Parts: sequence; structure tokens; C-alpha cells
Amino acid sequence: EAGVTQSPTHLIKTRGQQATLRCSPISGHTSVYWYQQALGLGLQFLLWYDEGEERNRGNFPPRFSGRQFPNYSSELNVNALELEDSALYLCASSLRAGGNTDTQYFGPGTRLTVL
Amino acid sequence: RKEVEQDPGPFNVPEGATVAFNCTYSNSASQSFFWYRQDCRKEPKLLMSVYSSGNEDGRFTAQLNRASQYISLLIRDSKLSDSATYLCVVKGSPGDNFNKFYFGSGTKLNVKP
Repeated sequence: EAGVTQSPTHLIKTRGQQATLRCSPISGHTSVYWYQQALGLGLQFLLWYDEGEERNRGNFPPRFSGRQFPNYSSELNVNALELEDSALYLCASSLRAGGNTDTQYFGPGTRLTVL
Repeated sequence: RKEVEQDPGPFNVPEGATVAFNCTYSNSASQSFFWYRQDCRKEPKLLMSVYSSGNEDGRFTAQLNRASQYISLLIRDSKLSDSATYLCVVKGSPGDNFNKFYFGSGTKLNVKP
């Protein structure tokens, strides 16, 4: 079974530009989560999508946004990039919302560098 | 107060040693608990779920103490390949962002020859 996939692997942008990151969940998973992990730091929750809707977001400015498509894949958009947005962006998927034992499975991440 | 707190370490131990990590969580209504392992510059990978009765998987044992609101991970007979950062994860409770996962900042383990 294919795991969570993310693209691109690496992305280099300059300040002020926009970045789009993509994620495909494990087949059958409806929930997709996005996290930011700056170098040497822990995971910071960004966004959670389930069944095409945004269910929750972390403490990030509105220039971080995303969506989930009918096939449950997801896109994270970061507008007006700032240097401190440089980080590893991880996508995770889980089987369904509301289950007590649902577990998240992570993709390999997209490493975004803002110059 | 953070939802999940871990000692960042590093824990430096010799091969063959037994090492234990603890993690505390703030929401007493939390329902699900997990340990993940993250290698340097890689994605986190599920190590094990933590059940109320405690569970064991080979050299790894996880325990949950609801009264004191902590979970623990015990690694016996440490291998060099166990060197990694171990993340404690707590899933939100119903009525409190259920299905939101809270990650600890991780505990770094270095197993030395």
C-alpha cells in the first residue's frame, strides 16, 4: 500500500513569493493534517482537513491556507513568504475523523527554503 | 502551559542500556496517546500506540498513567539504531478539538557504542 506522498521534495522561493505544497493521503484516509517543523524545533500544527472541509487551524497567520480536493488530496498555500517560513512542511493522513484510535501517518515532507 | 511536555534530552546511553522517557499532558480528557520516532531531517514514524493497560512491542514498552497524566516509553537493550528523537503525541478529547493531535517537542536519544 502506498504511503502519504508529498511534492515537491524541495522548494526554493524568495521573500514575497507564494508557495504551493501538495499532499496525497493513504488510500481510504479522509483526514489530512499539515505541520511546520523549523530546523531543530518541534512540529507545529497548521491545518486539518476532513471530507473536503477545514476542521481546525493552528496559530498561524491567514497567509497560510489550503484546501482538500474531492479525492482527499490536499494543497497548502503560503502567500507573501517570509524568511522564517523556511522549514520542513509535513503532511499526515488518518483514517477518519472522530475515531479514538486513529493514527497519523506522515509523508516525507517538503523542505521549503525562503531566500 | 503546553498541551504536551517532554524532556528534550539528549539522553546519552551505551549500547545495551535501558532508558526511559516520560511525557506529561495537560488535558485529563485526552483519549489517545502515541509514541513516534523521528530521525534527523526525516518524517515522524509511528512507534507504538499507548493503551490504558500498557503495551509492549519487543524491546519497547509504553505505559499510561491517567491519574498523573503522563505516558512513558521504556527501551530495553538499546541499539545504535535506536538513536533518534522520540515524540510524544496526545490526541484531543471530544469537545476539545477532537481529532487534533498535540505533539511534544521530542526527546533526543543517542546510543553510543
